[in-house]
Amino acid sequence: DAGVIQSPRHEVTEMGQEVTLRCKPISGHDYLFWYRQTMMRGLELLIYFNNNVPIDDSGMPEDRFSAKMPNASFSTLKIQPSEPRDSAVYFCASSLGLAVYNEQFFGPGTRLTVL
Amino acid sequence: AQSVTQLDSQVPVFEEAPVELRCNYSSSVSVYLFWYVQYPNQGLQLLLKYLSGSTLVESINGFEAEFNKSQTSFHLRKPSVHISDTAEYFCAVSDRVGKLIFGQGTELSVKP
Repeated sequence: DAGVIQSPRHEVTEMGQEVTLRCKPISGHDYLFWYRQTMMRGLELLIYFNNNVPIDDSGMPEDRFSAKMPNASFSTLKIQPSEPRDSAVYFCASSLGLAVYNEQFFGPGTRLTVL
Repeated sequence: AQSVTQLDSQVPVFEEAPVELRCNYSSSVSVYLFWYVQYPNQGLQLLLKYLSGSTLVESINGFEAEFNKSQTSFHLRKPSVHISDTAEYFCAVSDRVGKLIFGQGTELSVKP
């Protein structure tokens, strides 16, 4: 398997624009996680899905952020409108299960810069 | 609530020297501890974990960590580092449900 795939790897946009980040989890993994990494706040869990259903979105910072998982092999994280403070590295991860015994496999991340 | 504190944001060391990356946790329930490594421009990879049993856990590349319940610590050690160990290291804690809480990270820089 190719691992978790994220696209784009880098995104530069202007404030107010819509940004869509994409993730393809490892085949067969039932859980998908979106994380954000910043210097100030470190690595934070934004939302996670189980079998395509959002389970916990308590980490989503505000209504400008939304995430979807239309099928088992694809998820998106959308920011609309984007702001400079959204600049960060966004990671997607997947795992077979949520229990602590199941390792989370991370993608390479998308580095987002909002000007 | 669970939390993780990594006491050092940066640790510079010379090649072949020993290193210790410090991690303290706070948890009111059963605790499960992890160390992840992030090489430049890559995602995080699991390095080692403590779930139960022996308090000393090891990775395949020579790192080890010891779970110390009385000191609420899970420090990462390696007796002799290589240039290739240069990376950012994250300590994380989880409850039985499996949600990970990460520390701020420690940047290990190995110099020749």
